[in-house]
Amino acid sequence: GAVVSQHPSRVICKSGTSVKIECRSLDFQATTMFWYRQFPKQSLMLMATSNEGSKATYEQGVEKDKFLINHASLTLSTLTVTSAHPEDSSFYICSARDPGGLGAFFGQGTRLTVV
Amino acid sequence: AQSVTQLGSHVSVSEGALVLLRCNYSSSVPPYLFWYVQYPNQGLQLLLKYTSAATLVKGINGFEAEFKKSETSFHLTKPSAHMSDAAEYFCAVSEGGSQGNLIFGKGTKLSVKP
Repeated sequence: GAVVSQHPSRVICKSGTSVKIECRSLDFQATTMFWYRQFPKQSLMLMATSNEGSKATYEQGVEKDKFLINHASLTLSTLTVTSAHPEDSSFYICSARDPGGLGAFFGQGTRLTVV
Repeated sequence: AQSVTQLGSHVSVSEGALVLLRCNYSSSVPPYLFWYVQYPNQGLQLLLKYTSAATLVKGINGFEAEFKKSETSFHLTKPSAHMSDAAEYFCAVSEGGSQGNLIFGKGTKLSVKP
């Protein structure tokens, strides 16, 4: 079945540095990918919708200059957390819609810890 | 390793009929379990969650789920389907407790016939 691969699964970075998270659709083309963030003891929050070849659509309250999204190809979307701070520590997960209409596929998630 | 299995990628019911979406999990530690719903062209929305309190969990939109440890199940039910329930439903288990990463099932698409 279709697989979405997210990398890295865990990352620790220093405050002020930038971190890039990759989301790849391995055996299908994904014109749209979604980036979510999960806060402790809470549900996933949709951060943005990544559209291949165009600008991402950010949800209200999400800083687009801080969370840079690039969807340069039909199989890759990246989320870059710029100038990371400890409050950015969270679980980030991407998903891609199945172009066949049977559902959505999720990446494994990335646990980001900013120290 | 924890895992989630959702039986049936597509479930179709008539309006007013019982909705039953199945979810079985595998976990070596007491699990935190979730059901999410995704409406067309929208992000995920939390329906309900089990976090080791009551085994019968009530969620939004009339949905509920029962945690059965002996069956390692967390099936989602609704007594009477409504057309607006048509969506994709995802079961998820949290590894490492309430702040752990989420592992999702592949999803079940629910269709509601008039």
